[in-house]
Amino acid sequence: EPEVTQTPSHQVTQMGQEVILRCVPISNHLYFYWYRQILGQKVEFLVSFYNNEISEKSEIFDDQFSVERPDGSNFTLKIRSTKLEDSAMYFCASSEDWTLETQYFGPGTRLLVL
Amino acid sequence: EDQVTQSPEALRLQEGESSSLNCSYTVSGLRGLFWYRQDPGKGPEFLFTLYSAGEEKEKERLKATLTKKESFLHITAPKPEDSATYLCAVQARTGGFKTIFGAGTRLFVKA
Repeated sequence: EPEVTQTPSHQVTQMGQEVILRCVPISNHLYFYWYRQILGQKVEFLVSFYNNEISEKSEIFDDQFSVERPDGSNFTLKIRSTKLEDSAMYFCASSEDWTLETQYFGPGTRLLVL
Repeated sequence: EDQVTQSPEALRLQEGESSSLNCSYTVSGLRGLFWYRQDPGKGPEFLFTLYSAGEEKEKERLKATLTKKESFLHITAPKPEDSATYLCAVQARTGGFKTIFGAGTRLFVKA
């Protein structure tokens, strides 16, 4: 069964450093998403991406965040200058098209900022 | 403001003891309501999508129903392997592709 994959599974970084989280969505999906979940809290929407551009973003997704689809398979989330409060589980998700809202989630990357 | 509230926060059941989880939502025109299962340290796993009031969907011991204000996830004769956090989420017609999640219900099923 096709699945969303994410790398790395864990990332530890120093405050102020840049991190790139990587995702490989399901191959025939066209819509891509990033979410985060701070330990013990709700899953929070960050951004959605379609046709090589951001279609929607939340207030959390400020200038320190960016997304990119550098090739036909990868989808990345970059955090330019990490803060302690960026420590969270980051989930990538994908969906087939806009008429099917069902999103399939990856296993997540646990980011720890020290 | 679009909102999702789940209750109870936690639910402890004996194996075979059926129960229901509640998801109340406020949204400016519902595009879809979703139920996910999340195991510790893992990503949400899709269970159901419901689109309109009166709709019902079933999968094994789980059945999801939808009204204009809430959704229920009914668990019939649960087993220990059903222990997980169950998440409810909604998308609004005016919200683009933004999905709003509830805090979840942690279900513990004891053998």
